[in-house]
Amino acid sequence: DGGITQSPKYLFRKEGQNVTLSCEQNLNHDAMYWYRQDPGQGLRLIYYSQIVNDFQKGDIAEGYSVSREKKESFPLTVTSAQKNPTAFYLCASSMRDGSYEQYFGPGTRLTVT
Amino acid sequence: AQSVTQLGSHVSVSEGALVLLRCNYSSSVPPYLFWYVQYPNQGLQLLLKYTTGATLVKGINGFEAEFKKSETSFHLTKPSAHMSDAAEYFCAVSDRDDYKLSFGAGTTVTVRA
Repeated sequence: DGGITQSPKYLFRKEGQNVTLSCEQNLNHDAMYWYRQDPGQGLRLIYYSQIVNDFQKGDIAEGYSVSREKKESFPLTVTSAQKNPTAFYLCASSMRDGSYEQYFGPGTRLTVT
Repeated sequence: AQSVTQLGSHVSVSEGALVLLRCNYSSSVPPYLFWYVQYPNQGLQLLLKYTTGATLVKGINGFEAEFKKSETSFHLTKPSAHMSDAAEYFCAVSDRDDYKLSFGAGTTVTVRA
């Protein structure tokens, strides 16, 4: 079945540690996205990538980094510079033409203490 | 960037009653419009979308939405609520030349037996 996988589902880290969230898609989509979700705030765009080896900052990129070495993969690193990293993180992908409908993964809930 | 407003962060309906979720956007140029649903601790699932053509759009699970250009609105309705409709609903828009989605803050729907 085609889709987007995110791992792990739950992640716990100590403050000051970097952590990498995985996102893999087998939909053959060119574009991929990372969102952060906090209660009552909807989804906020962290980074997005339209093609391999290229990515752009979204609205809240500070304290995060990404790479796009393969079409299928778009990992997100939450660095120690992110002041409030505890959140639900969602990865999505879309085609680059048409209506840009985005397909979402199941999410990773990160808790930093 | 688009601005998306969802009126009402919480909506409570009785089983069998009409569900109405409101969404307004800021653009003067008709964008692409989407409604997504999210169940607890899961990713987002597309309910329906408007790109062009007929302004009344039918989606999954009996939902439909109507694009009204004059009101810059894209309200979501379902004639008869079911217990399984309890979830959070997000309205999203994208400009026609942009891959990025802008999301509303979300509306949580509870269904009373």
